Amino acid sequence: QVHLQQSGPRLVEPSQTLSLTCAISGDSVSSNGASWNWIRQSPSRGLEWLGKTYYRSKWYIEYAPSVMSRASINPDTSKNQFSLQLNPVSPDDTAVYYCVRLTGDGVLDYWGQGTLVTVSS
Amino acid sequence: DIQMTQSPSSLSASVGDRVTITCRASQSIRSYLNWFQQKPGKVPKLLIYVASNLHSGVPSRFSGSGSGTDFTLTISSLQPEDFATYYCQQSHVAPYTFGQGTKLQIK
Repeated sequence: QVHLQQSGPRLVEPSQTLSLTCAISGDSVSSNGASWNWIRQSPSRGLEWLGKTYYRSKWYIEYAPSVMSRASINPDTSKNQFSLQLNPVSPDDTAVYYCVRLTGDGVLDYWGQGTLVTVSS
Repeated sequence: DIQMTQSPSSLSASVGDRVTITCRASQSIRSYLNWFQQKPGKVPKLLIYVASNLHSGVPSRFSGSGSGTDFTLTISSLQPEDFATYYCQQSHVAPYTFGQGTKLQIK
């Protein structure tokens, strides 16, 4: 059974950096069949895919165009986890953030518990 | 980006009703279409994957169909626990996109 455990600050000041980590158990961040994704949800934007990282003989990272200039997703094989950084943030980035596994068949099957991140001074 | 459009946006129905929600993609996504159920304050729950496959543990009253650009989610006989918001999502090509949601309410 795969379990994703999210951690990170719930309050971030405008223009600062949002940082979240997703610890994986029951699978590997280096898995050859899966990718590891960040998705957020807000009333104004709905469910929005932010990006993913995956290993296929080498590491790949892809971002949604909407956040490409501000986002950074990084795998950490030593801790079997991956992270999201978003910089700079604005109140529009206030959302519930989820880490999610995507299988090779295109299925978002395991989700983290979600982290409500509020951007406010 | 591929746009996913769900209809209706909201729906009122009674326990025991048969309900159908549709999802249309702005271009062909083959069968890379998933359906999720979400209740307030909860994580989205996978119901149907690759258009028509029932996820483990999901009741058989849920079913999905379609391919290309047009898809449907059907609940054959609504139960009280089914009142929630439903989302379709495409995994054919990144950026992966979701429909705007269909809120299913009790009549």
